[in-house]
Amino acid sequence: GAGVSQTPSNKVTEKGKYVELRCDPISGHTALYWYRQSLGQGPEFLIYFQGTGAADDSGLPNDRFFAVRPEGSVSTLKIQRTERGDSAVYLCASSQLGAVTDTQYFGPGTRLTVL
Amino acid sequence: AQSVSQHNHHVILSEAASLELGCNYSYGGTVNLFWYVQYPGQHLQLLLKYFSGDPLVKGIKGFEAEFIKSKFSFNLRKPSVQWSDTAEYFCAVNAWRTGANNLFFGTGTRLTVIP
Repeated sequence: GAGVSQTPSNKVTEKGKYVELRCDPISGHTALYWYRQSLGQGPEFLIYFQGTGAADDSGLPNDRFFAVRPEGSVSTLKIQRTERGDSAVYLCASSQLGAVTDTQYFGPGTRLTVL
Repeated sequence: AQSVSQHNHHVILSEAASLELGCNYSYGGTVNLFWYVQYPGQHLQLLLKYFSGDPLVKGIKGFEAEFIKSKFSFNLRKPSVQWSDTAEYFCAVNAWRTGANNLFFGTGTRLTVIP
């Protein structure tokens, strides 16, 4: 596609529920990143994939958060037992090769609200 | 750990005024520096980036930024702003270490340009 797409655009769930957020990167981009942006803050890194493998998951806040990218393209961020503090905009970005000099292209984000 | 500071939270300017947004980072090693912009209702877009060479970097829409290594700064400038520059501006840095090319963002500066 022309850009990074994310679905759903909005997700409202109840505390304790499980959610999945999807990211479709730019076609051909090998690197994929997830960030989280809370109100009034800048994006905060969660996890980075190079191909199918998670090259760096140091930003995941705890073991309720998990992400996969089984075929090296689409990625899913999974959050178990959601908490109100998980409410944020979840951003996905992709870059061509994952080099430090690559530009990261961002999607529109998924706004997650945990009631 | 890397961190990025943007001291101006909200800047209000009249059209044709000059703009300078501050960005300071903390990291002693080699860094790459970025400015991203988020227009109302749109996703994050890259304005400009610095990797090496000339410390004065020119980006899209007449924006430029200057890397001053001794001050750990990468301030964004534009000589004459337009109403269409109303947006949120984020400074970001990534540090050169193995396997880590995720971006660290500042908290953002909201720019409002009054016609």
